Amino acid sequence: DQQVKQNSPSLSVQEGRISILNCDYTNSMFDYFLWYKKYPAEGPTFLISISSIKDKNEDGRFTVFLNKSAKHLSLHIVPSQPGDSAVYFCAASGAGANSKLTFGKGITLSVRP
Amino acid sequence: DTGVSQDPRHKITKRGQNVTFRCDPISEHNRLYWYRQTLGQGPEFLTYFQNEAQLEKSRLLSDRFSAERPKGSFSTLEIQRTEQGDSAMYLCASSLVQGVDSPLHFGNGTRLTVT
Repeated sequence: DQQVKQNSPSLSVQEGRISILNCDYTNSMFDYFLWYKKYPAEGPTFLISISSIKDKNEDGRFTVFLNKSAKHLSLHIVPSQPGDSAVYFCAASGAGANSKLTFGKGITLSVRP
Repeated sequence: DTGVSQDPRHKITKRGQNVTFRCDPISEHNRLYWYRQTLGQGPEFLTYFQNEAQLEKSRLLSDRFSAERPKGSFSTLEIQRTEQGDSAMYLCASSLVQGVDSPLHFGNGTRLTVT
């Protein structure tokens, strides 16, 4: 029972273009959503988050959009850089950013120079 | 902030043996989590502590698994009578409950291979 779904396993974009990573969830009790980035042989690193009371949160090149009615969120990276190549995990919590997280399977982003 | 530290980074063991992993969280963090990640999957929650109290255990955590955080600082995860299906990356994370937007910080994990 996947409560957080990342249906596209991989994405390849050209350097300088926009990367859009999608995530869907099924549990309406989730109220906080996070994106983590993972390089090989390292643990996941927090990237950006959004509370369910917002529909957009921006941090530099990274913007997360939340559509509660559709139970969908997306991460936009503009402009994409080769160093952004990594696995991106969408995660959700029912009790804030610092509580138990439910993760999606991840999406591998490749940014071509 | 030295980050979350996990030891060892890699562990190879034979089926049936016991293994123990250690996690040192960020010093001021009062919550500590254990997750497991297998190939092609995201991290799956196993258990978490607030200070020394173990507050939740996943049904994934069979009787062969036990976790402790005796003084509310470091934590250990023990797997008894290991099985090949236990092969995975075991991730530890910590967080500070008092911070509303304080996300989980993960260590680099312990990769377990059961032969």
